[in-house]
Amino acid sequence: GQQLNQSPQSMFIQEGEDVSMNCTSSSIFNTWLWYKQEPGEGPVLLIALYKAGELTSNGRLTAQFGITRKDSFLNISASIPSDVGIYFCAGQSTTGYSTLTFGKGTMLLVSP
Amino acid sequence: SAVISQKPSRDICQRGTSLTIQCQVDSQVTMMFWYRQQPGQSLTLIATANQGSEATYESGFVIDKFPISRPNLTFSTLTVSNMSPEDSSIYLCSITGTTPVNEQFFGPGTRLTVL
Repeated sequence: GQQLNQSPQSMFIQEGEDVSMNCTSSSIFNTWLWYKQEPGEGPVLLIALYKAGELTSNGRLTAQFGITRKDSFLNISASIPSDVGIYFCAGQSTTGYSTLTFGKGTMLLVSP
Repeated sequence: SAVISQKPSRDICQRGTSLTIQCQVDSQVTMMFWYRQQPGQSLTLIATANQGSEATYESGFVIDKFPISRPNLTFSTLTVSNMSPEDSSIYLCSITGTTPVNEQFFGPGTRLTVL
C-alpha cells in the first residue's frame, strides 16, 4: 500500500529558530495535508495543498506541494513555545472523497 | 467549521469487555471516518462510516471487532469489542469538509486504556 516517509522524526530547537520538515512518497498524491496534534487533542488541519508546485502560507507556516506530486515540506518560521506538538503530513490519492494516508509524524520541541 | 465532539474522552476498561465511543457533529456531514492512534504512533484508518449502509473497513480491521453505526448524518458510534491491552489507543472520528471535500477534520479523540 501507499506509504509516506516523514522526516525528521523529532526536532529540539530554540525559540526563534526556523524549522523544516518533509514528507516523501513513492506514489503520487492529489492532495497533501499538514496537521498538528497537541497532547490530549485530535489533529488540527494547518494547511491543505492541491496543485503540484503550490506554495501556501498560514501565518508563520509555509508548505509546498512538490512538482512531482510525491513530496511536500512544511516550514515554520520564528518558532515559539506553543509550536510544540507532533506534525503529521497526510496524502490523498484521488480527488473528492477519499481516505488519507498519514506519515509517522515529526515531534517538535521548542525551548524558550 | 463543524464542531466535533466525542464521548467518552477517556476510559479505563477491563479486558474482555466492550466500549462504545460516540461521535457527534453539530451539522450534517456525508462522510465520517474512524481512526486508531496507538501510543506514539501515527493515525490508521479503521473504517469509513456510511449513512444508510454498512461501514467500509480497511485491511486488518473487521466488523466483529469494531462494529460501527451511522444512524444519521450527524452521529456515529464505534464499538471496540472483547478488548485486550493491545486495543489501548486513541480513537478518533473525522469528517470531510464541505468545500473542498478533500480536507478532513478530527474530533478530540477518546483515550482508551485496557487493563
